[in-house]
Amino acid sequence: QAVVTQEPSLTVSPGGTVTLTCGSSTGTVTSTHYPYWFQQKPGQAPRTLIYDTSNRHSWTPARFSGSLLGGKAALTLSGAQPEDEADYYCVLSYRTSYVFGPGTKVTVL
Amino acid sequence: QVQLQESSPGLVKPSETLSLTCTVSGGSVSTYYWSWIRQPPEKGLEWIAYIFNSGNTNYNPSLKSRVTISVDTSKNQFSLKMSSVTAADTAIYYCALFPGGYNTGWGQGTLVTVSS
Repeated sequence: QAVVTQEPSLTVSPGGTVTLTCGSSTGTVTSTHYPYWFQQKPGQAPRTLIYDTSNRHSWTPARFSGSLLGGKAALTLSGAQPEDEADYYCVLSYRTSYVFGPGTKVTVL
Repeated sequence: QVQLQESSPGLVKPSETLSLTCTVSGGSVSTYYWSWIRQPPEKGLEWIAYIFNSGNTNYNPSLKSRVTISVDTSKNQFSLKMSSVTAADTAIYYCALFPGGYNTGWGQGTLVTVSS
């Protein structure tokens, strides 16, 4: 089974920009992996932020954007807010199954 | 927006079968993809299985031998059974509308503890 990789933790200053990445042990991440990004705050269920690489939900702030970058899926947070402090998970599709990354803990400090 | 609510026994003994049910409102289980996803305490998410079109299923290869997902269209519910559970199966279990693209939703999660 494929392994999905993410940075364990990242710190961003309020108003700053940070990019989280999501890699695959099988090689380059492409749009056919249909990357999703989820945000999870302590004690809460995950919430979908981005689907199919770069599509935001109606509730996803415009400061979050998804893309493919350097062979990985990427989630960029531009203009970080204190409420963006959370765990972020990506998931990739491998034809008939899905594999989550281990998550990135983002601290806004 | 679709709403999902898990129900479970909470506590299951080792080697027994875990049964979970997800009740869906605001959408039909006959449409979209419906998944079970779990999260061990203080750990990350793991996709378990999904069902779509009321009967087509796919499973995480590492769990496939122990897991069955099914749907009850009359009750607008879908379910998960996991056999031969061990302490490693202790987790919060989420039901979700996933993958669904713009269509999405997660249950609040239910903690299942495997212990004698």
